Amino acid sequence: DGGITQSPKYLFRKEGQNVTLSCEQNLNHDAMYWYRQDPGQGLRLIYYSQIVNDFQKGDIAEGYSVSREKKESFPLTVTSAQKNPTAFYLCASTIGSNQPQHFGDGTRLSIL
Amino acid sequence: GQQLNQSPQSMFIQEGEDVSMNCTSSSIFNTWLWYKQDPGEGPVLLIALYKAGELTSNGRLTAQFGITRKDSFLNISASIPSDVGIYFCAGRDRASGTYKYIFGTGTRLKVLA
Repeated sequence: DGGITQSPKYLFRKEGQNVTLSCEQNLNHDAMYWYRQDPGQGLRLIYYSQIVNDFQKGDIAEGYSVSREKKESFPLTVTSAQKNPTAFYLCASTIGSNQPQHFGDGTRLSIL
Repeated sequence: GQQLNQSPQSMFIQEGEDVSMNCTSSSIFNTWLWYKQDPGEGPVLLIALYKAGELTSNGRLTAQFGITRKDSFLNISASIPSDVGIYFCAGRDRASGTYKYIFGTGTRLKVLA
């Protein structure tokens, strides 16, 4: 089936550790996105990528890093510099500029 | 960053009632999207709108692209318990020149049986 796969579903991080969240899509979409969602809040854009080997900062990029080496993959690293990483992280993709975004099922990150 | 003003923030309704919610922006948009999110899941696209004045239905859901291009509306008719969830609007700022969408803060809907 075509879709967006995020893994793992749940992730735990110790203080001072970096963790990487996976996002893979087999929809042949050009653009991919990472959002952060806090309880009772909307979606805030962390990073997005419109083509391979290129990405742009969103509204809350500090403490996060991404790469886009392949069209189908857009991993997000939550670094130790992110002081409040506990949140629900959503990955999305779209085929073009005026087309809807489609979302994965999310990864919930918690701090031990 | 910019977020859309979505209202109401939350609502409790009786099963069978109709629901209305809206989204407003300070920018002109050329695309409006409506999503539903269930707890612990990613948002699922309900309706996409591409032209000012456009009215589009998806089952019991109807959405409209406001003629000013700065607002959009979603109506749910004859609500049922599975309509419970968070409804998000999203819009694309035509001036951005990017693939970015701006999201509303969500309307939390609870349906009382």
